[in-house]
Amino acid sequence: DVKVTQSSRYLVKRTGEKVFLECVQDMDHENMFWYRQDPGLGLRLIYFSYDVKMKEKGDIPEGYSVSREKKERFSLILESASTNQTSMYLCASSSPGTHNQPQHFGDGTRLSIL
Amino acid sequence: AQSVAQPEDQVNVAEGNPLTVKCTYSVSGNPYLFWYVQYPNRGLQFLLKYITGDNLVKGSYGFEAEFNKSQTSFHLKKPSALVSDSALYFCAVRDGGTDKLIFGTGTRLQVFP
Repeated sequence: DVKVTQSSRYLVKRTGEKVFLECVQDMDHENMFWYRQDPGLGLRLIYFSYDVKMKEKGDIPEGYSVSREKKERFSLILESASTNQTSMYLCASSSPGTHNQPQHFGDGTRLSIL
Repeated sequence: AQSVAQPEDQVNVAEGNPLTVKCTYSVSGNPYLFWYVQYPNRGLQFLLKYITGDNLVKGSYGFEAEFNKSQTSFHLKKPSALVSDSALYFCAVRDGGTDKLIFGTGTRLQVFP
């Protein structure tokens, strides 16, 4: 079974702090994704990566950056946290393309910015 | 642009009754469609997908989905609901030729005993 592990289930940080959210997958997937989930808005893609050191902006990249130095690890960085970044953050991974493999999700990090 | 819509924020059903959670899509080209479920304080779990072939797709936990090209719909169904099916359900469509998914806003299913 694919396992996607997010380092923290709950996190509380202060406005202006630099925040790191970590995600590790154990299935050698090329693709990794970061989403935020807000009530009534569903899941919105922040960034995704299709290979080591490769990244692409999603629909809402402002205020975020990412790092993928190793294939199994994909980090989301909030450069200077703001209260409007309080949300549930979900990481996912998948195999590329032709077989339309589903994305596999971690259990999420509920982040509160005070 | 690809999109999916889940017209109902919440669906209520009595245990033992059939359930339907609705999803409509808009794509250019062939649709690749997915259903996921999210239990409280958990990530999303894959239920089933439609790529091609039979219009009735069977998935996990007794769920199935019916693909209807003329109505551009992909409704999730189950013949007999369980209280444990209560969760948040998301429909998603593959974004063109990429590996990205576009998610609907979710439908909360509440099954009453």
